[in-house]
Amino acid sequence: DGGITQSPKYLFRKEGQNVTLSCEQNLNHDAMYWYRQDPGQGLRLIYYSQIVNDFQKGDIAEGYSVSREKKESFPLTVTSAQKNPTAFYLCATGAGWETQYFGPGTRLLVL
Amino acid sequence: AQTVTQSQPEMSVQEAETVTLSCTYDTSESDYYLFWYKQPPSRQMILVIRQEAYKQQNATENRFSVNFQKAAKSFSLKISDSQLGDAAMYFCAYRRGSGGGADGLTFGKGTHLIIQP
Repeated sequence: DGGITQSPKYLFRKEGQNVTLSCEQNLNHDAMYWYRQDPGQGLRLIYYSQIVNDFQKGDIAEGYSVSREKKESFPLTVTSAQKNPTAFYLCATGAGWETQYFGPGTRLLVL
Repeated sequence: AQTVTQSQPEMSVQEAETVTLSCTYDTSESDYYLFWYKQPPSRQMILVIRQEAYKQQNATENRFSVNFQKAAKSFSLKISDSQLGDAAMYFCAYRRGSGGGADGLTFGKGTHLIIQP
């Protein structure tokens, strides 16, 4: 069954802790994206990757890091440098210029 | 930088009626794509409709259609015969065309659509 999976659905972070959000896809799409959504806001681009072993910063990359070692996977790490990490995080994939398709999201909360 | 503006934070419509959601955008590009996404309470982002800027014909998907005015940089979404399942946040989004590679989307802040039974 083709699709995009994100885990966990909910994630809790303690002060000073790094946490990693998972995004996996079996749509064979080259491009993958991470967005952040805050209440009352649209989505904002954190990082994106067009091919394996390559990625670019989006509009709000500070405090985040990513890797793209496999075509299917694009994990996002929220580092301790991100002072306001509480948000809903969405992963998306796309085949070149075409439409982006979104995963179900991960809600990150700070303890 | 591109910007997308949705000037209606909330809209309400009676079931079976028609509603139009507004979106304007600012870009210096000539080649781009525009999208409307729906986000129901589950928070899953669902593509509603897409428009290529080079196409003059307005896109249509069943009860959903757009009014794309390129010169005015306007991209409104019309929902006909509104149904209870249409209740959601609706986001307008922009992306550069093929010359920009697989860039990310720029989103508006969304319009909350309420359907009155």
